[in-house]
This record gives sequence, C-alpha cells and structure tokens, in this order.
Amino acid sequence: KNEVEQSPQNLTAQEGEFITINCSYSVGISALHWLQQHPGGGIVSLFMLSSGKKKHGRLIATINIQEKHSSLHITASHPRDSAVYICALIQGAQKLVFGQGTRLTINP
Amino acid sequence: GAVVSQHPSRVICKSGTSVKIECRSLDFQATTMFWYRQFPKKSLMLMATSNEGSKATYEQGVEKDKFLINHASLTLSTLTVTSAHPEDSSFYICSARDPSSNQPQHFGDGTRLSIL
Repeated sequence: KNEVEQSPQNLTAQEGEFITINCSYSVGISALHWLQQHPGGGIVSLFMLSSGKKKHGRLIATINIQEKHSSLHITASHPRDSAVYICALIQGAQKLVFGQGTRLTINP
Repeated sequence: GAVVSQHPSRVICKSGTSVKIECRSLDFQATTMFWYRQFPKKSLMLMATSNEGSKATYEQGVEKDKFLINHASLTLSTLTVTSAHPEDSSFYICSARDPSSNQPQHFGDGTRLSIL
C-alpha cells in the first residue's frame, strides 16, 4: 500500500463547479504540501499545511492530522485550473513523498 | 519570490550522447537540491539528493555512474545523464530548498529528455 493515496485519479467538471481532491496518508508527517503541475510540466507550490485550513484566492486546503487526511478545494472552477494536483508528504526537514496526482480537467 | 531555473527545457539527442541538465537557484543559496524523474502520467520519483560540497545521496535503484550529480556551488547543481539510451528518455525536474523560506522546496520547470 502506498504511503499516500489521492482520489480521484482523474476528474472532469464543468466551469464553475466546486472541486474537491482528497489525499490520505498512512505515515507520520511534519507537514503536507499541495502542488500544481501544469501541462508543460512545471510545478507550482500551492500550500504547505501542518494543521487546520489555508485559503488563497479560490483555493482552500484543509488537513486533519488525527485522521491523516487532507483536501484541496477549488471554488468557481475555471478551465485555467486544469492541471495535475499533487499532494506531497513532508517527512523530516526536507524529503517529499508524492501522491500519484489528480488530473483535473475543467471544461468551458 | 524564490525562483529555480532549470536548463535546458527540452533535449533531443542520439543514443550514446551524454546530456547535462542545470538547476540554478536564482535568488537564494541552496545547500540542498533534489533531482526527480517523472514517467508519463506518473508521479515524481526522487533520484538523488544533491548536497553542496559533498557527494550526492542516491535513492535505491538509481545508478550513480549513469546519473552524475555535481553541486559545486550554493546556486548550481548539475545532472549529467551519461551515455544516454532511449530508456533514459523521461522528464527530469529539480528542486531546491531555501533555508529562509517556509516552503520545503521550489521546483524548476523540468527538462524533457528524448533519446533517439
């Protein structure tokens, strides 16, 4: 069993829909990272979380350390949100353990 | 904000060629950089941790002599794929950690390597 599991693996939605991507993990972590990988391959850091909830624009990330679960939400989704979203566990000071990613497609 | 620059973004070359990929931290000093490989529609796989002034730490299964890593300065790490073969074709991406940042790592834009 992988240390980190994301769901769904693929998600297609219409513009304007509320999107939720889930990340469950089975190991102890110091924090969790949500990343966005563009179609060209570049990776952008969205959030780093160790507890609670963070919001940036239309993006919201939550984490429940006790349940070992994190969610990434996108409100009022837009075609430009189409990308692969990756959760990554931060173990210790530096090493990242990556989920397999969720491929999101937002249709106009 | 902190930026990591990776060059080249795309390489196409013949089998047997050695290819060097550079990863630079542009506005911070990176004592540690990371090299990842990503297969199509798969997640990132850590290849090695590059430490400034010392030998890189390779992950299990990664050939040290095949993937040479040099981290000679606090702003530059290089990955050289030696005697590349078609099976080395992949997307390679680096990241660097800014000790003063609250983010664990900043990522380069990646290098798409195609060996003919």
